[in-house]
Amino acid sequence: GQNIDQPTEMTATEGAIVQINCTYQTSGFNGLFWYQQHAGEAPTFLSYNVLDGLEEKGRFSSFLSRSKGYSYLLLKELQMKDSASYLCAVMDSNYQLIWGAGTKLIIKP
Amino acid sequence: GAVVSQHPSRVICKSGTSVKIECRSLDFQATTMFWYRQFPKQSLMLMATSNEGSKATYEQGVEKDKFLINHASLTLSTLTVTSAHPEDSSFYICSARGLGYQETQYFGPGTRLLVL
Repeated sequence: GQNIDQPTEMTATEGAIVQINCTYQTSGFNGLFWYQQHAGEAPTFLSYNVLDGLEEKGRFSSFLSRSKGYSYLLLKELQMKDSASYLCAVMDSNYQLIWGAGTKLIIKP
Repeated sequence: GAVVSQHPSRVICKSGTSVKIECRSLDFQATTMFWYRQFPKQSLMLMATSNEGSKATYEQGVEKDKFLINHASLTLSTLTVTSAHPEDSSFYICSARGLGYQETQYFGPGTRLLVL
């Protein structure tokens, strides 16, 4: 079966760095996406990785290792507004997105 | 990123009535649109995938006669919840993907449905 695993909840301090991990087992791979979802709102796109390595975009970076079926989202200089759920999703061989359950990130002052 | 709109943002209706939700891609052509449902504190659940000009593909357990999907153009898809019941109350979110299969899905802002 297809499976995406990510931690249910994480807590971090304002100004710090946090890494949210995602491991996956899917039938085929056509890229991995990270989305941010604030409570009561729809998800917004953060990043897309299809090749191994690190993609940096401002305070957010996303890493992919296809051989390990592993990705992480790195958030630097955390701000209170970064409190949200972070969703990992993998596009399988049928170009369908398989969604993780999301990681709720709590930022404390 | 691309812009997807959804209308209405919030709707309250009586049990037994039908509700139509529109999803539009504003600045790109969306060959594929997806309809999701999300209950409070739960994951996104894909309901159906629709390709322009063809019938929608429904996920297992989703009643196609209850959730009617029409993808009449490259910029518009509609979801009609027929004979709505209180258990249909949820957050309905559409997303749209451009011409390439590997293109990013962009989400609409969602529609909160409350059935009384």
